[in-house]
Amino acid sequence: DQQVKQNSPSLSVQEGRISILNCDYTNSMFDYFLWYKKYPAEGPTFLISISSIKDKNEDGRFTVFLNKSAKHLSLHIVPSQPGDSAVYFCAARRSAGANNLFFGTGTRLTVIP
Amino acid sequence: DVKVTQSSRYLVKRTGEKVFLECVQDMDHENMFWYRQDPGLGLRLIYFSYDVKMKEKGDIPEGYSVSREKKERFSLILESASTNQTSMYLCASSLSLGDQPQHFGDGTRLSIL
Repeated sequence: DQQVKQNSPSLSVQEGRISILNCDYTNSMFDYFLWYKKYPAEGPTFLISISSIKDKNEDGRFTVFLNKSAKHLSLHIVPSQPGDSAVYFCAARRSAGANNLFFGTGTRLTVIP
Repeated sequence: DVKVTQSSRYLVKRTGEKVFLECVQDMDHENMFWYRQDPGLGLRLIYFSYDVKMKEKGDIPEGYSVSREKKERFSLILESASTNQTSMYLCASSLSLGDQPQHFGDGTRLSIL
């Protein structure tokens, strides 16, 4: 039962344009959401996170938006750069219980120079 | 910077062997995790530990066990390796308090022949 879903396996964007990666979740007990970036043959690298008490968090070119009523979050990358080409994983944590994360299946972003 | 080190980047073992994957973190994190990553399935949690000698099953614990004798070290054990355990294995660690991301090692690509 996939509680965190990334329905787009891949996305291609021109350099300089905006990349929007989407993530949906089903568990209303999730209170903390994260995005990770993964290059081939490397471990995931933490990118940005957002708590459920917020609806937006920004860090440089990266902004995460959370819509709790729709159980949807998105990652915006502006402007996109070729070095952003990677697999992006969305993850979520429950408010009660252990600190383990639930991951989506990932979206492969390709930024075309 | 947080450093999570996995002992091997690549490992080849035979069916039926007992396999040990080692992970060490240098940030005094309470929580440690083992995931496997397979194409189209994202990251799936095998086991996690929130303290020395404590362990909890994740989503796919069958065929695996873990050991945490020291706070900085978390070992994953394949009791009798099988070909369906060929995968990328990722270790992560995190602090317990507050909204804290997990930090990952670079992974071990394990092949069972």
